[in-house]
Amino acid sequence: GAVVSQHPSRVICKSGTSVKIECRSLDFQATTMFWYRQFPKQSLMLMATSNEGSKATYEQGVEKDKFLINHASLTLSTLTVTSAHPEDSSFYICSAEAGTGGAETQYFGPGTRLLVL
Amino acid sequence: GQNIDQPTEMTATEGAIVQINCTYQTSGFNGLFWYQQHAGEAPTFLSYNVLDGLEEKGRFSSFLSRSKGYSYLLLKELQMKDSASYLCAVMDSNYQLIWGAGTKLIIKP
Repeated sequence: GAVVSQHPSRVICKSGTSVKIECRSLDFQATTMFWYRQFPKQSLMLMATSNEGSKATYEQGVEKDKFLINHASLTLSTLTVTSAHPEDSSFYICSAEAGTGGAETQYFGPGTRLLVL
Repeated sequence: GQNIDQPTEMTATEGAIVQINCTYQTSGFNGLFWYQQHAGEAPTFLSYNVLDGLEEKGRFSSFLSRSKGYSYLLLKELQMKDSASYLCAVMDSNYQLIWGAGTKLIIKP
């Protein structure tokens, strides 16, 4: 099946620093990538939808200036958490959509665990 | 509003059968998905239902009734490795996934 990678898998940073998370589709082209956040014992929360070559669409309540998304190519999307604070500590998961849509073809990355001290 | 309900936690015995229910109220419907998520890992796709009825895939089966806004995931011959959270998600009329909070399944020997 299709493979999506994320890097780094874990990151610990000081408050106020910025962290970049990469999401790559390894063996297919992803026209759309999604970024999710998951707090402990809670469901996935969609943060934004990223389309190659265009601006990301953010969900209500997600600050676009704090969570910068760049989908520069059909195989790479990046999420940058700017000026991270302890409340940003979470599990960030990306997914990539292959083909013409339908979540059946949405493949998840392994996730990135962010801890802000 | 849009809402997905599933039990918070269930316990079952190794070798037995367990049914995890999911009810939904969404603006439109373009399919219902079940995902498995082990602690600390990303979700993995289990099943997709868009028409009424039962879809069987090995030890896992998923059922959908669109008129009742209801689905269940049936796990047979439970194994210890099936201990995980099971997430129900519905794709609405805008092709957005609405996620349930997940059901934590605990398997006991």
